[in-house]
Amino acid sequence: GAVVSQHPSWVICKSGTSVKIECRSLDFQATTMFWYRQFPKQSLMLMATSNEGSKATYEQGVEKDKFLINHASLTLSTLTVTSAHPEDSSFYICSAPGLAGPTDTQYFGPGTRLTVL
Amino acid sequence: AQRVTQPEKLLSVFKGAPVELKCNYSYSGSPELFWYVQYSRQRLQLLLRHISRESIKGFTADLNKGETSFHLKKPFAQEEDSAMYYCALIGRDGSRLTFGEGTQLTVNP
Repeated sequence: GAVVSQHPSWVICKSGTSVKIECRSLDFQATTMFWYRQFPKQSLMLMATSNEGSKATYEQGVEKDKFLINHASLTLSTLTVTSAHPEDSSFYICSAPGLAGPTDTQYFGPGTRLTVL
Repeated sequence: AQRVTQPEKLLSVFKGAPVELKCNYSYSGSPELFWYVQYSRQRLQLLLRHISRESIKGFTADLNKGETSFHLKKPFAQEEDSAMYYCALIGRDGSRLTFGEGTQLTVNP
């Protein structure tokens, strides 16, 4: 079945530094990937839609310059949290849809726990 | 604006009892609707989607366009059904995948 991986699974960084999170579709190609943020005991909040070869589409209220998304290949999307601050600490999850495209079943990564000190 | 509402944050039933997890949505058009499940310490995974009309692990969900609902049901709950359940919606154009707040289901022995 379709598998999505994320790296790293957890990261601790100092305030002001940047952190890159990778999302890979291991056995299928994904022209679109989704990035979410999840706070403890809360639902997933869609941050942005990552599009291979073009700019990401950000949800309202999500800062483009803060959360840089690059979808450079059909199997890799990266989320870079720039100049991270403690309020950016969260669980970041990505997903990639099946072959039918964005409306198909989403395959989720295991998530990345970011802690900003 | 599209929205998914799961009115129950927590739901507790006994093993063998019927269970229903509620989901209501608002969307101007015909959405694609899904139920995703997250078992303890595992990633989110698809439980079922309305378009396939399948029954997975004994769960079914019927799309009621009149009531804009997509409730998840199982006639006899099992302990292994204890998990977090999310109802999700996406527009037919593939835009704005939206999740409900989730319902934590606990099935007691």
